[in-house]
Amino acid sequence: QQPVQSPQAVILREGEDAVINCSSSKALYSVHWYRQKHGEAPVFLMILLKGGEQKGHEKISASFNEKKQQSSLYLTASQLSYSGTYFCGTLLGSNYQLIWGAGTKLIIKP
Amino acid sequence: DAGVIQSPRHEVTEMGQEVTLRCKPISGHDYLFWYRQTMMRGLELLIYFNNNVPIDDSGMPEDRFSAKMPNASFSTLKIQPSEPRDSAVYFCASSLESLNTEAFFGQGTRLTVV
Repeated sequence: QQPVQSPQAVILREGEDAVINCSSSKALYSVHWYRQKHGEAPVFLMILLKGGEQKGHEKISASFNEKKQQSSLYLTASQLSYSGTYFCGTLLGSNYQLIWGAGTKLIIKP
Repeated sequence: DAGVIQSPRHEVTEMGQEVTLRCKPISGHDYLFWYRQTMMRGLELLIYFNNNVPIDDSGMPEDRFSAKMPNASFSTLKIQPSEPRDSAVYFCASSLESLNTEAFFGQGTRLTVV
């Protein structure tokens, strides 16, 4: 039931792009994305509520493909501040629990 | 608002002792969540409350764990008796309206049971 995130880790140079995927074996109601820096609390990025919906904030955006039961997080022109572990959380329905993926560790090098 | 406030930030205790973790959610938030994070198991939702009422505690690992929310501004997570495998970072989070809104996390309590 836990969503599968890929890749597990990625190392980039500043300015490069990255894609993080989150896949579920069950139909999804919504997908939540958070970033956590080492030793800190997770911080909200975005929630995708509808199939096919894309949301974005500056150079971080995400898509939600309801049919494929997956979501992708896009980081363009990555900055050093993007480093951290990215988690997706999936909700199967309004009365279900939020289940978290294992996380994708992103390392940005100057 | 100061955000979600957790105490203590660090707790070291001996196996068998009772441990109480505390959380003050953001004022006006209707939902409160308790999470546990470990390297092995990742981020796990233990229990969540809506308007002070426990809604889903299926993530609570054992009867040794209990959580209460006596009022809208305070919640506790208690482990009695504690065991070394309970060592983890425990996060409290709150959100405004539902499971489908942004959750604000506290800074966490790092619990070490020796």
